[in-house]
Amino acid sequence: GENVEQHPSTLSVQEGDSAVIKCTYSDSASNYFPWYKQELGKRPQLIIDIRSNVGEKKDQRIAVTLNKTAKHFSLHITETQPEDSAVYFCAARSPGYSTLTFGKGTMLLVSP
Amino acid sequence: DGGITQSPKYLFRKEGQNVTLSCEQNLNHDAMYWYRQDPGQGLRLIYYSQIVNDFQKGDIAEGYSVSREKKESFPLTVTSAQKNPTAFYLCASTSPFDRERETQYFGPGTRLLVL
Repeated sequence: GENVEQHPSTLSVQEGDSAVIKCTYSDSASNYFPWYKQELGKRPQLIIDIRSNVGEKKDQRIAVTLNKTAKHFSLHITETQPEDSAVYFCAARSPGYSTLTFGKGTMLLVSP
Repeated sequence: DGGITQSPKYLFRKEGQNVTLSCEQNLNHDAMYWYRQDPGQGLRLIYYSQIVNDFQKGDIAEGYSVSREKKESFPLTVTSAQKNPTAFYLCASTSPFDRERETQYFGPGTRLLVL
């Protein structure tokens, strides 16, 4: 089955800096890659996703890039703010399956 | 995500006891999922169901059981065979047959603690 590795496990930045979280996946046929943000004690919420026919997608301060050849995708957050502090999860879905395989998460801490 | 509810918010289990976690959605989604979340472990799939009266085991199904008698409901039972049930349990739903709405939406979660 699919395997997703996520790095780093923790990331500390100063407010205004950029943050980058990287994930690699094992199934070259995977075609859908969402990113979720989970604040402490809350439910995960989708912040951005990308499909395999697109190399990059942006939404205001966040962007996701996909490199199908290398089988990795990354989340980029620019101009970080304290409210960006949370755990971020990447996931991948293989075609023909309705399940997602999640990475283990990255705790992002943004200091004022 | 506001259309998925889970209850209770906190649940306490005694040794040898079975407990049931509730998950309801009013999003008209076909597929529903149960995940277990432990610190540093991400989200691990317990069971999922793509249609009423059908469900499949996920990666960590041992010690758990589910039913899917109604489209809106997908309860999870944590049986006494699950020796380490303390975790945060998340339910999710999606419409896997609609490519434009394939996002999984999560409920607020149930935290299960063992007495």
